[in-house]
Amino acid sequence: DTGVSQNPRHKITKRGQNVTFRCDPISEHNRLYWYRQTLGQGPEFLTYFQNEAQLEKSRLLSDRFSAERPKGSFSTLEIQRTEQGDSAMYLCASSLGPAGSETQYFGPGTRLLVL
Amino acid sequence: GIQVEQSPPDLILQEGANSTLRCNFSDSVNNLQWFHQNPWGQLINLFYIPSGTKQNGRLSATTVATERYSLLYISSSQTTDSGVYFCAVQGYTGANSKLTFGKGITLSVRP
Repeated sequence: DTGVSQNPRHKITKRGQNVTFRCDPISEHNRLYWYRQTLGQGPEFLTYFQNEAQLEKSRLLSDRFSAERPKGSFSTLEIQRTEQGDSAMYLCASSLGPAGSETQYFGPGTRLLVL
Repeated sequence: GIQVEQSPPDLILQEGANSTLRCNFSDSVNNLQWFHQNPWGQLINLFYIPSGTKQNGRLSATTVATERYSLLYISSSQTTDSGVYFCAVQGYTGANSKLTFGKGITLSVRP
């Protein structure tokens, strides 16, 4: 069990550019979550997959954001036309078990800075 | 949606002291987790504790689900305990898989 991994760990981009982050969950975990954390705040939910199906999206996830989990394993989160307000830590988590009552395990995060 | 409040927002301790961190939540939950976020941003699982009491070394936690609060106890604190402690819950209604986090408690343990 190698834990949840995320790449890249840091990303600096210019406003208007597109960025893509990757998350590899703990093997055999069927649920995968994306959260966003800004300075001084707790993480906020963005979206959630069960296997390859995206079951819920937060209203925080604007049209510029898209997430996929094509084979029910790793996931990508893409932000198009980045804005300075997108600067944050993007966290991925995975879990296994009955929905709503399972332990979520978090990756180390991807820190995004939009200049 | 469900609200999570943590208190106190900041806590400064001398090494060796004990502390109690509190988490209040506004509705019934079927999951509650405590995390420690280290200076590099990694969220480390401390407890999965929707109800009852658990202990792990110098840390213990109690959740009283009927009264909608949870407590995290740290005994004989060490400088490595410094960081931000988050409580997060999953509610029964609506999107029941996402975690809703509090704003965190920043703990500083001084040598």
